[in-house]
Amino acid sequence: DTAVSQTPKYLVTQMGNDKSIKCEQNLGHDTMYWYKQDSKKFLKIMFSYNNKELIINETVPNRFSPKSPDKAHLNLHINSLELGDSAVYFCASSQDRERRWKNIQYFGAGTRLSVL
Amino acid sequence: AQTVTQSQPEMSVQEAETVTLSCTYDTSESDYYLFWYKQPPSRQMILVIRQEAYKQQNATENRFSVNFQKAAKSFSLKISDSQLGDAAMYFCAYLRDDTGNQFYFGTGTSLTVIP
Repeated sequence: DTAVSQTPKYLVTQMGNDKSIKCEQNLGHDTMYWYKQDSKKFLKIMFSYNNKELIINETVPNRFSPKSPDKAHLNLHINSLELGDSAVYFCASSQDRERRWKNIQYFGAGTRLSVL
Repeated sequence: AQTVTQSQPEMSVQEAETVTLSCTYDTSESDYYLFWYKQPPSRQMILVIRQEAYKQQNATENRFSVNFQKAAKSFSLKISDSQLGDAAMYFCAYLRDDTGNQFYFGTGTSLTVIP
């Protein structure tokens, strides 16, 4: 019954590899997001998708690419992983972009990525 | 640019006591939303409470309440009757009303509950 689920929970990989993190929400929400939480616990938004359209793209390296096969999924692909990519990545979703008062974001449990 | 500041990196409270976590934000908007999220060791981000800027009444959720001072751009979280399960990182967050759902988070406050 998990509302927003991410897989895997932990990901350990070598520098230079390509990896993906999957996110699925069963809340019927229209918008999904990816956040990066650094070692100091600071959360920074990376991407959001609304109806398969990228609407926010902060200054994130193009090695990171979100892929949304449908409204319920927003996967994060990372190419040529670097040491600095080690962090916890959170997926989130919210109901409706237009109705602000409903735009509570619900988060997944996070994926801890460790690049060796 | 919007910024959210949590000036207390760490706080501690005795079990059953009350603690207040501070949050200030900077904005030129008049309509926006404020949130407190809790992140326990499990890493799950859990919504604790939210406040609409147009509402003067402070939001409350059981033992959690806020002191929203719009003019001062202050949004503090009060936890009453603290419990061991309240131990977590607490993030204050700001949501603009006219953009694509972008949240601005503070740097967090680590709350320890002492038995």
